[in-house]
Amino acid sequence: GAGVSQSPSNKVTEKGKDVELRCDPISGHTALYWYRQSLGQGLEFLIYFQGNSAPDKSGLPSDRFSAERTGGSVSTLTIQRTQQEDSAVYLCASSPGAGGPYNEQFFGPGTRLTVL
Amino acid sequence: KQEVTQIPAALSVPEGENLVLNCSFTDSAIYNLQWFRQDPGKGLTSLLLIQSSQREQTSGRLNASLDKSSGRSTLYIAASQPGDSATYLCAVVDDYKLSFGAGTTVTVRA
Repeated sequence: GAGVSQSPSNKVTEKGKDVELRCDPISGHTALYWYRQSLGQGLEFLIYFQGNSAPDKSGLPSDRFSAERTGGSVSTLTIQRTQQEDSAVYLCASSPGAGGPYNEQFFGPGTRLTVL
Repeated sequence: KQEVTQIPAALSVPEGENLVLNCSFTDSAIYNLQWFRQDPGKGLTSLLLIQSSQREQTSGRLNASLDKSSGRSTLYIAASQPGDSATYLCAVVDDYKLSFGAGTTVTVRA
């Protein structure tokens, strides 16, 4: 079956612009995660959605970052007024949900964001 | 806060040699541990998942052990091949999210 997909695969933007990154999880997976991989910080958690529950936003680095998940499926990560330090690879993962934190997380190919 | 450390940071071996990659974590209250492979410019491929109640998992030439009480996991790759060249990441789950180590970059020389 299809895995986690993300779009775009690459995004180049100018400092100060807003960007939207999209994630399509594996069909039927109720849990969805966003992570960021940057040279200086390694891989870090950003936000977690589980079903209709309020998301865990504890990893979002600033209020310029927000995410939503529509219909319990597709998710969009929005970065407003981008800064050069936002340049990174943004990775999305999903898991079945039932079984909670014991489930394996499956990752998409990522979106490489470059802020000029 | 959970801290995950991977040693060594880089490893170069001749083809056929066995690989041993180490991972340690500071908080033993984990739900599971995952080992991932990442090729340059690519996403993460899950290799093995070990639940907190398990001691090891095996898949083909890969074997991962977990000693939760001491906060350690080891990934063994038998009879390495040039195609095994990649970065290997260890991650633990506590409170749903994954906490990652910095990875071990492996080069297998033909």
